[in-house]
Amino acid sequence: QVQLQESGPGLVKPSETLSLTCTVSGGSVSSGSYYWSWIRQPPGKGLEWIGYVYYSGSTNYNPSLKSRVTISVDTSKNQFSLKLSSVTAADTAVYYCARGRSTSRYWGQGTLVTVSS
Amino acid sequence: DIQMTQSPSSLSASAGDRVTITCQASQDINKYLNWYQQKPGKAPKLLIYDASNLETGVPSRFSGSGSGTDFTFTISSLQPEDIATYYCQQYDNFPRTFGPGTKVDIK
Repeated sequence: QVQLQESGPGLVKPSETLSLTCTVSGGSVSSGSYYWSWIRQPPGKGLEWIGYVYYSGSTNYNPSLKSRVTISVDTSKNQFSLKLSSVTAADTAVYYCARGRSTSRYWGQGTLVTVSS
Repeated sequence: DIQMTQSPSSLSASAGDRVTITCQASQDINKYLNWYQQKPGKAPKLLIYDASNLETGVPSRFSGSGSGTDFTFTISSLQPEDIATYYCQQYDNFPRTFGPGTKVDIK
């Protein structure tokens, strides 16, 4: 059974960089069969797709965030990561990692990141 | 970006009722639509993929239909455990986009 777990700071200051890691167990990020995605959800609001990474390192980002987002993969640690720069209060959200770039059957539990000084 | 709309935004129904949610895409997305269920404090759970395929292990009271721009999600007999918010999501184009959600409650 594939499991995903997000980790990282729960509080980030405005203008700084949000950094999260997703650790995958029960499966391998090196599998060529799957892509690995990040999705976020502001409190009380809907879901927003951030982007994905493939084991090769190829990526695809939401244009609304593209200038600030980097998603990378570390096959040696079976992890993939999200970096979002120059954050503002509008980036406060629950951040989910998930397997798949189209249909996500496996999700992490989500981690709340608050942007505040 | 493809815009997804859902209606209604919320509904309240009695246990055993048939519940229908509609999702409309701003352009043709073929059959490339998922339906997710999200309960408070939990990650979304995939219920339906390719517009009408029931995910393994999901009760058969859930169903989906449609193609092109208009889609329907149905719960044939609402159960108390179905209280949740339901989202449609297109995967025909990037960026992937979600509908705003439909909150389902029990009367």
